[in-house]
Amino acid sequence: NAGVTQTPKFRILKIGQSMTLQCAQDMNHNYMYWYRQDPGMGLKLIYYSVGAGITDKGEVPNGYNVSRSTTEDFPLRLELAAPSQTSVYFCASSYTPGTNYGYTFGSGTRLTVV
Amino acid sequence: GNSVTQMEGPVTLSEEAFLTINCTYTATGYPSLFWYVQYPGEGLQLLLKATKADDKGSNKGFEATYRKETTSFHLEKGSVQVSDSAVYFCALSDGNQFYFGTGTSLTVIP
Repeated sequence: NAGVTQTPKFRILKIGQSMTLQCAQDMNHNYMYWYRQDPGMGLKLIYYSVGAGITDKGEVPNGYNVSRSTTEDFPLRLELAAPSQTSVYFCASSYTPGTNYGYTFGSGTRLTVV
Repeated sequence: GNSVTQMEGPVTLSEEAFLTINCTYTATGYPSLFWYVQYPGEGLQLLLKATKADDKGSNKGFEATYRKETTSFHLEKGSVQVSDSAVYFCALSDGNQFYFGTGTSLTVIP
């Protein structure tokens, strides 16, 4: 099925470890986004990309890095995991930068840092 | 700046009850407004949208009207079902990015 695919679905990290959250979409969307969802806090934008080779910081980028070498893939990298990064991470994509069409979301990655 | 404020949850209703989830927004210009739904263990899905004042978005028995005078976009459904149990997010788009509310958890009991 067409859409946004995120892997893994669950992960437990130790403090200081690193990992990459994978995100891939097959809809040929130029715009891709990473959000984190904390209880009672809604969704916060971490990074976004308007096309291959172009990325920019969102509201809460500290502790994360991204790359966009292809239209399809937008991985999120955590270099030194901290307990404050325990959250549910959602990747999303869109055809336009969020006007009439809305976003297509992946099913999320639940990350726990201990 | 742009922001969205939703009513606090959780909300628990009996099946066939009337549902209202309040949403108000602050924005410059003329944003588009959205409701997303998140079922357990899944990502957010677009439920309905409205792109200009007085527009009514509707889907699956849910509806919301874009009220510019009160800066509101309240979600309503006349008769909820157990399958409507989910978290509902109000959001606005200024054409560049989305701004999400904190979400309202709804549980419908038989």
